[in-house]
Amino acid sequence: ELKVEQNPLFLSMQEGKNYTIYCNYSTTSDRLYWYRQDPGKSLESLFVLLSNGAVKQEGRLMASLDTKARLSTLHITAAVHDLSATYFCAVTSGTYKYIFGTGTRLKVLA
Amino acid sequence: DTAVSQTPKYLVTQMGNDKSIKCEQNLGHDTMYWYKQDSKKFLKIMFSYNNKELIINETVPNRFSPKSPDKAHLNLHINSLELGDSAVYFCASSLRDTWNTIYFGEGSWLTVV
Repeated sequence: ELKVEQNPLFLSMQEGKNYTIYCNYSTTSDRLYWYRQDPGKSLESLFVLLSNGAVKQEGRLMASLDTKARLSTLHITAAVHDLSATYFCAVTSGTYKYIFGTGTRLKVLA
Repeated sequence: DTAVSQTPKYLVTQMGNDKSIKCEQNLGHDTMYWYKQDSKKFLKIMFSYNNKELIINETVPNRFSPKSPDKAHLNLHINSLELGDSAVYFCASSLRDTWNTIYFGEGSWLTVV
């Protein structure tokens, strides 16, 4: 059974600092997705990574995928308060099943 | 123009009642899902339909019954509600074989008292 784990589960960081969230998954998959969820809101797609070595960047967030290590990272550069949210990675199992990670609750302190 | 819409957004009901949540998508997707998010924010897939056919049915009590009248709609009916059913239920949709992201509805907050 595919398992997706994220660490850390909770992250409190100062504005202006850099940090990385890790997403490990247990079985082979070529596709990985990152989502953001604000409190009380839905999940918003951030990145879709479709091949080994894929890297995508949007603003202060950069995501990468290493399918051999079964690892994806979400790097935050010079964090700002607006990035405070819960971040999920998700991996596909088979054709239809999107399995989500445990989530990382990020709080950026002013 | 809401892509994936769910109703109701909030639902407070007593134990033992039966309730339904409705979902509609206007993205032209052929696959729809129900996910449950618990109080710890864990997201678990419950069901998935592709073109009205049930393709994923996770270990969910049979009090939960999904129904897809057409590929744009997926409803969730819950019988004999229990306290542990309190959660946020998200509907989502995707297009098969494109490996694009799945799109989520706004969620339905169910509280069983």
